[in-house]
Amino acid sequence: EVQVVESGGGLVQPGGSLRLSCAASGFTFSSYWMTWVRQAPGKGLEWVANIKQDGSEKYYVDSVKGRFTISRDNAKNSLYLQMNSLTAEDTAVYSCARTWSGYLSGWFDPWGQGTLVTVSS
Amino acid sequence: QSVLTQPPSASGTPGQRVTISCSGSSSNIGSNYVYWYQQLPGTAPKLLIYRNNQRPSGVPDRFSGSKSGTSASLAISGLRSEDEAYYHCAVWDGSLSGRVLFGGGTKLTVL
Repeated sequence: EVQVVESGGGLVQPGGSLRLSCAASGFTFSSYWMTWVRQAPGKGLEWVANIKQDGSEKYYVDSVKGRFTISRDNAKNSLYLQMNSLTAEDTAVYSCARTWSGYLSGWFDPWGQGTLVTVSS
Repeated sequence: QSVLTQPPSASGTPGQRVTISCSGSSSNIGSNYVYWYQQLPGTAPKLLIYRNNQRPSGVPDRFSGSKSGTSASLAISGLRSEDEAYYHCAVWDGSLSGRVLFGGGTKLTVL
């Protein structure tokens, strides 16, 4: 079964850091772009970042540039999101998704269930 | 407020046909493919339509997508109770640094 499963969310204080992981299975992970998308409580979806198959290209939404770092380990079929200098506005469910058709694409399938990040004192 | 505009809500009765719109601009919908996702309560989004009007295997042909100019639409015919969900449109936006945009989401209620 093709699936992605996120982990690593939790409660963190403003200014803190968190590292999210996404474990992929059922497909050749190294052949796909991968993406992180988040959804704040009661809000719509927001694209956060994506990364090329070999990790050589990475793109971020402006609001996280300089604070978040996307990375991957193809040997472990894993995607990561290092989040630093967190603020309350980063509170959301973070999901990873396999990305089709390169980085110029809104084509995500499948998505994981997500992991909740709560930034609060 | 999203750059892609979707109505916050839509509704219909079983068997009816409903459409959900997604309005954008020349830098996004006007020049790139549109994707639609269905999000049932408490679940992850699921790909419903890709490349404007293509259905992944397993998606019923009751669901259809279309695009014209800077707007796109998702149509659901033969509405069923299990279609009650949030529907999101997504598209790449080529302006400035480039990014994927999502609409604000439309909550579909089956009356």
